[in-house]
Amino acid sequence: DVKVTQSSRYLVKRTGEKVFLECVQDMDHENMFWYRQDPGLGLRLIYFSYDVKMKEKGDIPEGYSVSREKKERFSLILESASTNQTSMYLCASSSWGTGDYGYTFGSGTRLTVV
Amino acid sequence: QQQVKQSPQSLIVQKGGISIINCAYENTAFDYFPWYQQFPGKGPALLIAIRPDVSEKKEGRFTISFNKSAKQFSLHIRDSQPGDSATYFCAASTGSNYKLTFGKGTLLTVNP
Repeated sequence: DVKVTQSSRYLVKRTGEKVFLECVQDMDHENMFWYRQDPGLGLRLIYFSYDVKMKEKGDIPEGYSVSREKKERFSLILESASTNQTSMYLCASSSWGTGDYGYTFGSGTRLTVV
Repeated sequence: QQQVKQSPQSLIVQKGGISIINCAYENTAFDYFPWYQQFPGKGPALLIAIRPDVSEKKEGRFTISFNKSAKQFSLHIRDSQPGDSATYFCAASTGSNYKLTFGKGTLLTVNP
């Protein structure tokens, strides 16, 4: 099975801190995604990447950046954490040409900014 | 602009009953429509998906119905079980592995 691992299940950070959320997948997938999940708002795409060192903005990129230096690792960076970035963050990966296997999600990182 | 609208927000069904969740989309370029199931503390997992060249797809107790002209698709769960209690998300994209646009989710509770 494809495994997507997010480094932390829970994080508590202070306002203004720089925060790194790490995601690693072990099936050589080309595509990786970061979503945030909030009650009543569903999953909203922050950033995604189709290849090493490339990135594209999703629907809500403000206040975030990403890094993909290796194919298996996709990092989400909160440059200066704010309380409105308190949320569940989900990483996902997928591969071109694998039919309807779609995304594989990690278990999520619940970030609280105080 | 919400491109995928999902309803209802929550749903309570008795064991053995049929659960129905509906989604409507706006972007006619969408050509891949998956449903994801999420249990508490877990990430969403792909449940079933459909493409617009068919009107229905069944996998066990789960069926997707698709109406291209109405730009609507729905998930039917036959013989609902307490183990089906979860949050369900519909989604849409252009291509099966391109970026997905999700609905807001439906919390399904199946009472024993």
